[in-house]
Amino acid sequence: ETGVTQSPTHLIKTRGQQVTLRCSSQSGHNTVSWYQQALGQGPQFIFQYYREEENGRGNFPPRFSGLQFPNYSSELNVNALELDDSALYLCASSSKERGQETQYFGPGTRLLVL
Amino acid sequence: AQSVSQHNHHVILSEAASLELGCNYSYGGTVNLFWYVQYPGQHLQLLLKYFSGDPLVKGIKGFEAEFIKSKFSFNLRKPSVQWSDTAEYFCAVNPFGNEKLTFGTGTRLTIIP
Repeated sequence: ETGVTQSPTHLIKTRGQQVTLRCSSQSGHNTVSWYQQALGQGPQFIFQYYREEENGRGNFPPRFSGLQFPNYSSELNVNALELDDSALYLCASSSKERGQETQYFGPGTRLLVL
Repeated sequence: AQSVSQHNHHVILSEAASLELGCNYSYGGTVNLFWYVQYPGQHLQLLLKYFSGDPLVKGIKGFEAEFIKSKFSFNLRKPSVQWSDTAEYFCAVNPFGNEKLTFGTGTRLTIIP
């Protein structure tokens, strides 16, 4: 157990809808990263939040957005859902230390878009 | 942009066999290197990591990995596997000071009792 929790565990949406996924970081961690893991693939970096600001973004369109709260928990929002958004969404928390950062992952939210 | 290659997509071994999973990355600067494991039905767990120093790092459950800078490699090894090692293994890299962790496509390891 890493102490990183995510909700919900599973979600079914239809194309065009919007979804919000939530993540609580491990105690003592101030950084949250989000990843998308399609079936049979490795996780792909979406973005990272550090002290409530976006701190780096991968190759995902603007309809993927996020927030980080003062308690370091985070949300991932996806607008205008597409079928290809079906995936496991992973949250990872970490603490920035002199460029050496270890990310600890939560169990993920499995999203199915119909 | 950095990339990570895991050439073994599916490895099948008998219990007590030795294991080596390949990982190569493309990035010219200083990197941090990781191996994560995903057991069936469980979340990604950190197996081991390399930041600097001794290029041979030891992780949990008897796993180790060797960083060979000249070959841009970070192969995972275990001298004697167990049935419980059946899982998906991911190699990941991020440049020093960069937040983006780049993963390989993973290697599925199946251990036959």
